[in-house]
Amino acid sequence: NAGVTQTPKFQVLKTGQSMTLQCAQDMNHEYMSWYRQDPGMGLRLIHYSVGAGITDQGEVPNGYNVSRSTTEDFPLRLLSAAPSQTSVYFCASSWRGRNEQFFGPGTRLTVL
Amino acid sequence: GNSVTQMEGPVTLSEEAFLTINCTYTATGYPSLFWYVQYPGEGLQLLLKATKADDKGSNKGFEATYRKETTSFHLEKGSVQVSDSAVYFCALGVFGNEKLTFGTGTRLTIIP
Repeated sequence: NAGVTQTPKFQVLKTGQSMTLQCAQDMNHEYMSWYRQDPGMGLRLIHYSVGAGITDQGEVPNGYNVSRSTTEDFPLRLLSAAPSQTSVYFCASSWRGRNEQFFGPGTRLTVL
Repeated sequence: GNSVTQMEGPVTLSEEAFLTINCTYTATGYPSLFWYVQYPGEGLQLLLKATKADDKGSNKGFEATYRKETTSFHLEKGSVQVSDSAVYFCALGVFGNEKLTFGTGTRLTIIP
């Protein structure tokens, strides 16, 4: 099992550009989520999904879109990147009703 | 709402020293408590967990006891090694809900 995979590992964008961060898991987890990690702030939940076709907002959803067309994939879209979105992004997954989450290796994003 | 307050870092210790990283929480319902570890350049990994009061989680020489009376889940290790250098996150989850609430993280550096 590959677990949770994320691509790319690093990305530099200019303000206003768009991009999609990819996340996939092969554990058949229903629940998937995106966090951003900023110094002194811990991890903050951006969006989450409890199954294919179902998504909801987390703590800091503005500027980000998600969709969940399959159980395995949960991409995060930045529609118009801003310097405030410079961060490390983590995707995580778990079984429904379970707190123990499995994390991907992260994507380090810099917006100039 | 739920919250986790974690000992401010960074923490620097000599090899073989005793480690304590404090974590306290506030929660509604019946929380489970977790410690996650993030090694340099990697995603978060579950280090240990406890699901009810007085439970002790342990792994790799680390221990933490779920203390309901003091709403705490302090992480301890009797003799740290250089390889323990990482960022440690305390987290809280409520039974039946996949979301986790994270503390801000404590960066630990062990010097030989």
